[in-house]
Amino acid sequence: QSVLTQPPSVSGAPGQRVTVSCTGSSSNIGAGYDVHWYQQVPGTAPKLLIYGSTNRPSGVPDRFSGSKSGTSASLAITGLRPEDEADYYCQSSDSSLSRVVFGGGTKLTVL
Amino acid sequence: EVQLLESGGGLVQPGGSLRLSCTASGFTFNAYTMSWVRQAPGKGLEWVSAVSGSGGSTFYADSVEGRFTISRDNSKTTVNLQMNSLRAEDTAVYYCAKDYYYDSSGYQNPVSFNYWGQGTLVTVSS
Repeated sequence: QSVLTQPPSVSGAPGQRVTVSCTGSSSNIGAGYDVHWYQQVPGTAPKLLIYGSTNRPSGVPDRFSGSKSGTSASLAITGLRPEDEADYYCQSSDSSLSRVVFGGGTKLTVL
Repeated sequence: EVQLLESGGGLVQPGGSLRLSCTASGFTFNAYTMSWVRQAPGKGLEWVSAVSGSGGSTFYADSVEGRFTISRDNSKTTVNLQMNSLRAEDTAVYYCAKDYYYDSSGYQNPVSFNYWGQGTLVTVSS
């Protein structure tokens, strides 16, 4: 059971918009800690997509965006492409548990 | 170009020990907290441990506290993870990861990870 809760899977057709939710608690996201998002293609290392809840590292397309409110955060992907098919993980910090916590991951299928 | 290269993985019996190493290049090594993150087969990501830029602060997940020890050698740009009393549930790919944020104090907590190694597989089995 992960500290941060994500849906196991989401799907969308090419060109559509999908969102991935990440729900935490008052000891992590709700405590003001930033949320970070990673994309992992199976068999490869994770890649940082969003840092500081809303910021994109250099090279990440603006089709990817992050938001945070209260004890939750979301990753939005617009203009879905086949190459977006991957696992997506949210990550934050927690004041009462291990210092870094991950969500359980969400598998995105591009139909 | 930032590069992180892990080594030291392998097959070990329950109760045994293993030492992982990560050799870094392409950035000012002593200015960043470094972490180990693992992924059990078919499972999600789990943060394991971190060491601050100076090496003066170390951080551990509850699941490994007291069994694993992280260290770094800034002169050799390496970070190590000594794993003792290994259990079957420690079986995973172990990734070395660089923190995104600059460690100005030398004692910064891990925050987020902008570069990852390719991973090294640790299998704990009899």
